[in-house]
Amino acid sequence: GENVEQHPSTLSVQEGDSAVIKCTYSDSASNYFPWYKQELGKGPQLIIDIRSNVGEKKDQRIAVTLNKTAKHFSLHITETQPEDSAVYFCAASWYNDMRFGAGTRLTVKP
Amino acid sequence: EAEVAQSPRYKITEKSQAVAFWCDPISGHATLYWYRQILGQGPELLVQFQDESVVDDSQLPKDRFSAERLKGVDSTLKIQPAELGDSAMYLCASRRGTYNEQFFGPGTRLTVL
Repeated sequence: GENVEQHPSTLSVQEGDSAVIKCTYSDSASNYFPWYKQELGKGPQLIIDIRSNVGEKKDQRIAVTLNKTAKHFSLHITETQPEDSAVYFCAASWYNDMRFGAGTRLTVKP
Repeated sequence: EAEVAQSPRYKITEKSQAVAFWCDPISGHATLYWYRQILGQGPELLVQFQDESVVDDSQLPKDRFSAERLKGVDSTLKIQPAELGDSAMYLCASRRGTYNEQFFGPGTRLTVL
């Protein structure tokens, strides 16, 4: 089955700096890669996703890149703000199966 | 905006007791998932439904956990008897189709004493 590894487990940046979170997956059949943001006591919320036929996708300050050959994808957050502080999860999906990374706790210091 | 509803939000129980969680997916979403999330980890799939049918329950501890979605709409996850190690967040998610995004509910935080 699919195995998703996520790094780093914790990330601390200064407000205004960029943050990068990386994930690798094992199953080459995976074709959908969402990123979720989870705030304390809440369920994960989708912030951006990418499909295997696309190499990069951007939405304002958030971007995701996908390298199918290397089987890795990354989340990029630019101009970070304190409200970006949360736990971020990557996931890899094929058909109805979705596997999650262990999460990255991002702290943005004002 | 449509949301996945879950109740209760918090549940405290003693070990060996029975607990039940309820989920109402977004209207029209045929696929429903139950996940368990242990503190500091990502969600792990317990069971997946397509309409009223179980698609995947390979990770569901069937000796104590059960799940149903009788009419293919809302769903119930039950634990009987609860054990200390069951303390976790139980998340429900739904999806319209195979390649659409998955929406999560707010979760039920279970504490077993």
